[in-house]
Amino acid sequence: GAGVSQSPRYKVAKRGQDVALRCDPISGHVSLFWYQQALGQGPEFLTYFQNEAQLDKSGLPSDRFFAERPEGSVSTLKIQRTQQEDSAVYLCASTIGVNYGYTFGSGTRLTVV
Amino acid sequence: DQQVKQNSPSLSVQEGRISILNCDYTNSMFDYFLWYKKYPAEGPTFLISISSIKDKNEDGRFTVFLNKSAKHLSLHIVPSQPGDSAVYFCAASGGGAGGTSYGKLTFGQGTILTVHP
Repeated sequence: GAGVSQSPRYKVAKRGQDVALRCDPISGHVSLFWYQQALGQGPEFLTYFQNEAQLDKSGLPSDRFFAERPEGSVSTLKIQRTQQEDSAVYLCASTIGVNYGYTFGSGTRLTVV
Repeated sequence: DQQVKQNSPSLSVQEGRISILNCDYTNSMFDYFLWYKKYPAEGPTFLISISSIKDKNEDGRFTVFLNKSAKHLSLHIVPSQPGDSAVYFCAASGGGAGGTSYGKLTFGQGTILTVHP
């Protein structure tokens, strides 16, 4: 597609529920990133994929967070047993290679109630 | 610890005047700096970048200045237009253990720019 597509745009989850957030990167983009943006803050790095390989997951806040990109294109960020502190906008970004000016999606706003 | 800081939460400027957005960083290993612009309900959009081997980069109305000794960078917008009203994020890459040459970014908190007609 023309840009990075994320779904759903909005998600309300009850505390303790599992959620899955999807990212469709730009076709052919090798690198894919997930960021978490809390209200009033800048995006914070969660994890990085090069094709299907997850090369850096140092930003995942707990073992409740899991990300995958099994075929090197679409990626899913899964959060198990959601907590209120997980409420944030989750941003996905992709780039064709080692290119710092990567393209972000519009994000998924997760609200845990 | 906040490695990239934008100390001004907001900035208000008259149309046609210069907007100056500031950013400070603490990690001397950072070697690439970027500015992103974000409208409500959209993802950040890449604006302009600068490598640590340079002290200035210009693209149309946007100029980024880097002062490595002060660990400070700034974004100048001249002339400012109402359509420039958005949140501006400073970001840096290249620091940290394990190498971040793949482009992992550390962002500041953002500055809300409002340009009045």
